[in-house]
Amino acid sequence: AAGVIQSPRHLIKEKRETATLKCYPIPRHDTVYWYQQGPGQDPQFLISFYEKMQSDKGSIPDRFSAQQFSDYHSELNMSSLELGDSALYFCASSFGLSNTEAFFGQGTRLTVV
Amino acid sequence: GQQVMQIPQYQHVQEGEDFTTYCNSSTTLSNIQWYKQRPGGHPVFLIQLVKSGEVKKQKRLTFQFGEAKKNSSLHITATQTTDVGTYFCAGSGGSNYKLTFGKGTLLTVNP
Repeated sequence: AAGVIQSPRHLIKEKRETATLKCYPIPRHDTVYWYQQGPGQDPQFLISFYEKMQSDKGSIPDRFSAQQFSDYHSELNMSSLELGDSALYFCASSFGLSNTEAFFGQGTRLTVV
Repeated sequence: GQQVMQIPQYQHVQEGEDFTTYCNSSTTLSNIQWYKQRPGGHPVFLIQLVKSGEVKKQKRLTFQFGEAKKNSSLHITATQTTDVGTYFCAGSGGSNYKLTFGKGTLLTVNP
C-alpha cells in the first residue's frame, strides 16, 4: 500500500540558508501535518492543512512557512536556518480532521552546520 | 493549551515481564492514539480509542481509555525483544484537531 512520501530523506544546510521539505500524502488523504522531532524528544506539532487550507498552527517559527497544493502535497519552507533547527521533520497524512489515524512518513533529517 | 503527560519516561524490563505506560491529558480528549517508534524510525500507528472506558486488545497489547476521556494506558504482557521502542500517546480534543504527543516511554527489553 502507498505510504506517505517525504523528500529528501536527508539534508545538510549551512546556517542562514533555506531549505524546502516536501511531503506527498497517501492518495485520497486530504489532511497533512508537520512535526519536528529533536533527538530523544517527542514530535512537536508545527502546522497542519486540511483541503489546502491551514487547519491548525503549533510551534512553527516565523522563519518557516508551509502550504498544501492542489494535488494535496505539502511543502515546508525554512529560511534563515539556525543550528537549533537540526531535527527530524515528519509529515503525516490522514483522511479528514478528527478521530482519524495519522500515517507518518519516514521523515527528513535536517542537519544545519 | 492542551498538554499530554506520559509516564514513565524510560522502562527497562526482562524479556517476559509486563510493561505499562500511562498517559494523562490536561483537557478532555475526543480521541487518543498510540504510536510506536523504533530507534531511527518514524512513528507507526498502533490504535485509536474514541469511547469513554474503551478497551482494545492487539495480541499482547491492551489499550484503555479512561471514563473521563482524560487518561489512557498501554499494557504489554510478556514483553519480547521485538517490543523495544518508544511508545507515544497522542490526543486531540474539542476544536483542536492537531495531535498532541506525550513525551513517550522508551522501552528496552533484556533478553
